[in-house]
Amino acid sequence: QKEVEQNSGPLSVPEGAIASLNCTYSDRGSQSFFWYRQYSGKSPELIMFIYSNGDKEDGRFTAQLNKASQYVSLLIRDSQPSDSATYLCAVKSGGSNYKLTFGKGTLLTVNP
Amino acid sequence: GAVVSQHPSRVICKSGTSVKIECRSLDFQATTMFWYRQFPKQSLMLMATSNEGSKATYEQGVEKDKFLINHASLTLSTLTVTSAHPEDSSFYICSATTGLGSGANVLTFGAGSRLTVL
Repeated sequence: QKEVEQNSGPLSVPEGAIASLNCTYSDRGSQSFFWYRQYSGKSPELIMFIYSNGDKEDGRFTAQLNKASQYVSLLIRDSQPSDSATYLCAVKSGGSNYKLTFGKGTLLTVNP
Repeated sequence: GAVVSQHPSRVICKSGTSVKIECRSLDFQATTMFWYRQFPKQSLMLMATSNEGSKATYEQGVEKDKFLINHASLTLSTLTVTSAHPEDSSFYICSATTGLGSGANVLTFGAGSRLTVL
């Protein structure tokens, strides 16, 4: 059973702070890792994806991947109230079928 | 960018009736689409993989005779919930990938369809 684990939160940070979201996965064969943001009642929207060990930065977002430890994280710098949402970690295992396994998500609240 | 359109966004039906949800890739061809279901405060659970021109592949525990999937063209997949019951009430979301380039593994989601069965 391939599993993706996230702390359900809620994670509460003040506006302007750094929010750190973590995710661990069980399948060592996993190759691609995704962070999606989901507002209440809406479908997920892609924030970032990462394939290689290390950091990947995109604006205020940084994804970090450590395959040896089987974890992936998302840092949000200068957090804004509009960042308040549930963040879903998704993992794709090896193969070509594009199937993703999602974690349950971490609810982030950014307080003004 | 890739856009996936899903319709209807909300549907309320009586128990025992059938409901069809459409998923369209608007600006790309999607040989593969995915159907997810999400219950409140739960994660997305993959129901089935929809392949153009062939039968869908269902995940374990998903009844293929209850959740009928048709992928008749490269831009359209439909999910029909047959003989719906209150426990089928959920948020159904489709997704697709272009399967090309750096975005090959990136899923684009439709807006979702919230089904309420009375």
